[in-house]
Amino acid sequence: EAQVTQNPRYLITVTGKKLTVTCSQNMNHEYMSWYRQDPGLGLRQIYYSMNVEVTDKGDVPEGYKVSRKEKRNFPLILESPSPNQTSLYFCASSFKGMIGETQYFGPGTRLLVL
Amino acid sequence: GQNIDQPTEMTATEGAIVQINCTYQTSGFNGLFWYQQHAGEAPTFLSYNVLDGLEEKGRFSSFLSRSKGYSYLLLKELQMKDSASYLCAVPGYSSASKIIFGSGTRLSIRP
Repeated sequence: EAQVTQNPRYLITVTGKKLTVTCSQNMNHEYMSWYRQDPGLGLRQIYYSMNVEVTDKGDVPEGYKVSRKEKRNFPLILESPSPNQTSLYFCASSFKGMIGETQYFGPGTRLLVL
Repeated sequence: GQNIDQPTEMTATEGAIVQINCTYQTSGFNGLFWYQQHAGEAPTFLSYNVLDGLEEKGRFSSFLSRSKGYSYLLLKELQMKDSASYLCAVPGYSSASKIIFGSGTRLSIRP
């Protein structure tokens, strides 16, 4: 089944404890992206990647890192999480990131930083 | 810059028709998306408009007017399962791979 998977789905952590949220897609997509979703603010793009070893900042990249060493994986790293990073995170992918392409979203990761 | 506006909440009755509006301001225009998102779930693609006019897909239709910076999503024969948030989104002006989402319209369907 074609899908985007994320792990973990739920995570509670404490301020400053490094964490990684994994994202994997099995559709051979070149484009992958991370979003966070907060009440009243909608989905905001954190980072995106057009292909392996090619990443770029979205609108809210501060406090996050990403890497794209393999086509299928695009992990989101929080080196020193803070409470304002408590949010619902979505990973998404599309074929080449071209205009008009549908993005396929993962199921989401709900993060609580205490 | 870019800005997207849509109503925060709407309520409609099962079996009826509802129109969800979206207005946008962009430096350049590369089309407009509509996504559906049920509570706690991932957004799923509904439509993409790049030319003016109405595009119909079953019970859902999407309209675009580029000159007015305006789009709407029309849902007919509403069902309870249509209760969800509807997100309007446009590709970024500097890069089509950046997607700007509106804050979404939460639609509640009452029996």
